[in-house]
Parts: sequence; C-alpha cells; structure tokens
Amino acid sequence: AQKVTQAQTEISVVEKEDVTLDCVYETRDTTYYLFWYKQPPSGELVFLIRRNSFDEQNEISGRYSWNFQKSTSSFNFTITASQVVDSAVYFCALSEEGGGADGLTFGKGTHLIIQP
Amino acid sequence: NAGVTQTPKFQVLKTGQSMTLQCAQDMNHEYMSWYRQDPGMGLRLIHYSVGAGITDQGEVPNGYNVSRSTTEDFPLRLLSAAPSQTSVYFCASRAGLGEPNQPQHFGDGTRLSIL
Repeated sequence: AQKVTQAQTEISVVEKEDVTLDCVYETRDTTYYLFWYKQPPSGELVFLIRRNSFDEQNEISGRYSWNFQKSTSSFNFTITASQVVDSAVYFCALSEEGGGADGLTFGKGTHLIIQP
Repeated sequence: NAGVTQTPKFQVLKTGQSMTLQCAQDMNHEYMSWYRQDPGMGLRLIHYSVGAGITDQGEVPNGYNVSRSTTEDFPLRLLSAAPSQTSVYFCASRAGLGEPNQPQHFGDGTRLSIL
C-alpha cells in the first residue's frame, strides 16, 4: 500500500529565512503522481503543484521550488525568503496510476510558522 | 465559478443523530470523493464515486453512506453520529475518470462536532 511521510510536524522560522519541507513516499506502482497542497489558517485546501513519476525535472515558481528525487523517494518543497503569508499547514500527497481507490494518500502535514 | 460547494460549514450534533453533508460541483467532474481531516492525521478517504450511480469505499468508510444520483451532487450521510466522527470533512472533485494525475479541487470543508 502507498504511504506518505512528512516527518516534520511543525517548523518555525523567522521571516525571510529559507525553509524546506520534507516528503518521503512509498509506492509499488511505477507510475504515480505527487502533489503538494497548502492549508492556510482559513482552512481551505489550495493545490500547489503536481509531479509525474516519469518527470524528475525540478520546478521553480517564484519563491517556491520542488525537488523530486526518485532514487530517495522524496519530493521536497522549499520556500525561499519566507513571508508571514506562507504560514500554513502543507500536505504532500500521492496518487497511484493503478490504485483501486483512485484517491489521494496524504501525509500528516507540516505546520509552518513564519514569525515576523 | 463556484467550483466545489459544501454545506453546511459548521454543524453540531448529538450522539445518535443523523445528518447529510452536502457537496455540489459545477465543473462536470466525473470523480468525486469525501475525506475527513483529524488533528495529526492528515486527510483520509471515506468514500468516492467515479460517476453517477457508482460509489465505492475508501480507507475509513464505517458509519458513513453515500450516493451519486447526478454528476453534480455527492452527499455524505452520517447514519448515527458518534463522537469519533467529530472532524472536518472535505469534498473534492477531479476531472477525468481514471486520471489520477489530475489535481483534486476541494470544497471549503464542513466542521462537524458530535456531542
């Protein structure tokens, strides 16, 4: 069965620091998809990025970047020059190509606190 | 563009009561699902549907019932509420039947408390 581990329960940094959120996954499928979602204090879930298992190219979007490494089964998320508005719970999630439930398996989330 | 709409946003029930959480999407998505979010547990799949008339169980289905009579609506029923069902419930939809690479769009959630 698939599994997503976010070992960092809570991270607290001072504004403008860089911060990396770790995500390690387990799956037996050769084709799978990884996602990051953001949950701000208001509670909604905001989709950030999707990565396919056959595309290991890293991605940068403004202050956000993602490092996908199949060799270590990791899909880490880095925020550069963090801002208070980045404070949220961040979830990493996995979807398998042949998964019977066809749903997302979520990690338990990392609560990121950016202090002014 | 409403996206995924959940009602109500908040609800308090007494143990043993029943209720229905409503979910509607206006994106003509075939795939819809319900998750519950508990502190320190992430989100866990309750039930899902791949189209009208087709539903199936997820990871934590006990105590919940679903139906899908239309593409737009996917209600979640609590048959006899228990304190263990106190949680935040999210409905989600996704374009493309059998396309797990598509991101799921989530509603704003329903915060449910069972006393």
